Amino acid sequence: KQEVTQIPAALSVPEGENLVLNCSFTDSAIYNLQWFRQDPGKGLTSLLLIQSSQREQTSGRLNASLDKSSGRSTLYIAASQPGDSATYLCAVIPDSWGKFQFGAGTQVVVTP
Amino acid sequence: NAGVTQTPKFRILKIGQSMTLQCTQDMNHNYMYWYRQDPGMGLKLIYYSVGAGITDKGEVPNGYNVSRSTTEDFPLRLELAAPSQTSVYFCASSSTTGSEQYFGPGTRLTVT
Repeated sequence: KQEVTQIPAALSVPEGENLVLNCSFTDSAIYNLQWFRQDPGKGLTSLLLIQSSQREQTSGRLNASLDKSSGRSTLYIAASQPGDSATYLCAVIPDSWGKFQFGAGTQVVVTP
Repeated sequence: NAGVTQTPKFRILKIGQSMTLQCTQDMNHNYMYWYRQDPGMGLKLIYYSVGAGITDKGEVPNGYNVSRSTTEDFPLRLELAAPSQTSVYFCASSSTTGSEQYFGPGTRLTVT
């Protein structure tokens, strides 16, 4: 069974520092991987979707990499801002029909 | 374009009561999903649907039922509510297999 792990569970960084968030999965045979942002008491907002054939995806200050062979994805957020404070979740789709497996998330606090 | 909407936002149930959580999407997506999120945990799939009239169980289906009579609506029914069903419930949709998922704002349910 696919297991998705996000370590650390929480981290705090000063404003301006780059954020590095990790996502590990046990079965490298994934179809897609998606990163989400969740604000307190809110739903999930999609940040980036990486197809299994891709190595990375970029959107503005966000860059996500995917290394299937090592079972890892990393989300980089450049020049963090207090507005980046949220919980970040990754989810992998183990097969083509789209049944996501979620990690527990990393709670990020960016201090001014 | 409203995306995915859920009602109600909050609900308190007594043990043994029943209720239906509503989910509607206006993106003409075939695929719809129900998840629950417990504190500090990732999302767990309850039920999913690949089109009107077609539903299947996810990881944690016990105590829940679903139906999908239209493309837009995917209600989740709780029968005989139990304290273990206290959670935040999210509905999501996607256009194709393995594509980006869009989430509703969630329903916070407490069973006492």
